[in-house]
Amino acid sequence: QSALTQPPSASGSPGQSVAISCTGTSGDVGAYNYVSWYQQHPGKAPKLIIHEVTKRPSGVPDRFSGSKSGNTASLTVSGLQAEDEADYYCCSYAGSNNYVFGTGTKVTVL
Amino acid sequence: EAQLVESGGGLVQPGGSLRLSCAASGFTFNNYWIHWVRQAPGEGLVWVSRINTDGSATFYADSVKGRFTISRDNAKNTLYVQMSSLRVEDTAVYYCARGYSQGFDIWGPGAMVTVSS
Repeated sequence: QSALTQPPSASGSPGQSVAISCTGTSGDVGAYNYVSWYQQHPGKAPKLIIHEVTKRPSGVPDRFSGSKSGNTASLTVSGLQAEDEADYYCCSYAGSNNYVFGTGTKVTVL
Repeated sequence: EAQLVESGGGLVQPGGSLRLSCAASGFTFNNYWIHWVRQAPGEGLVWVSRINTDGSATFYADSVKGRFTISRDNAKNTLYVQMSSLRVEDTAVYYCARGYSQGFDIWGPGAMVTVSS
């Protein structure tokens, strides 16, 4: 199972928006509405910020939003804040009780 | 507050074995699938294994199939993974994570496993 493809890095100034893509295949991202996104600060455990493509868990700011088109999912962070600087990973259910993560994107707040 | 905490990490030689534990608290443990996810130093996240609520069904990534065994003790609110025939490439932080809508909503802080001679 190959990792989902994410851009290695993305950046934006405070208050701006940044979008991160997550490209898979018709067997994972394209097949299921089970894409989730995780934020990971250095040395910390990942934190769930989006599940089922578009849903935000309780407590996650509405600045974080998710979408999907075909085999590509996207995470948008609007109104960037300093604390949004972190690594972001997508994950998709891939069928047959398998899960595949993305390669990860480092977001820098300029 | 729902919480998971891993233990049992350490240094092991190639070919050796190690058992990690994951203690759960603050939620009804036996209502949830639980997963192991690992992250090699400087690398991304990789799904490793999953167990269903009563332990009757287990699933593994191809990279660990036949070498790792996931299990749980619902009376003790604890998840385990027995790792054998360890390889240098198994070196990673191992996280246990609670399953939620085919994602993972609660994560432990992780346990470092280093496989080296």
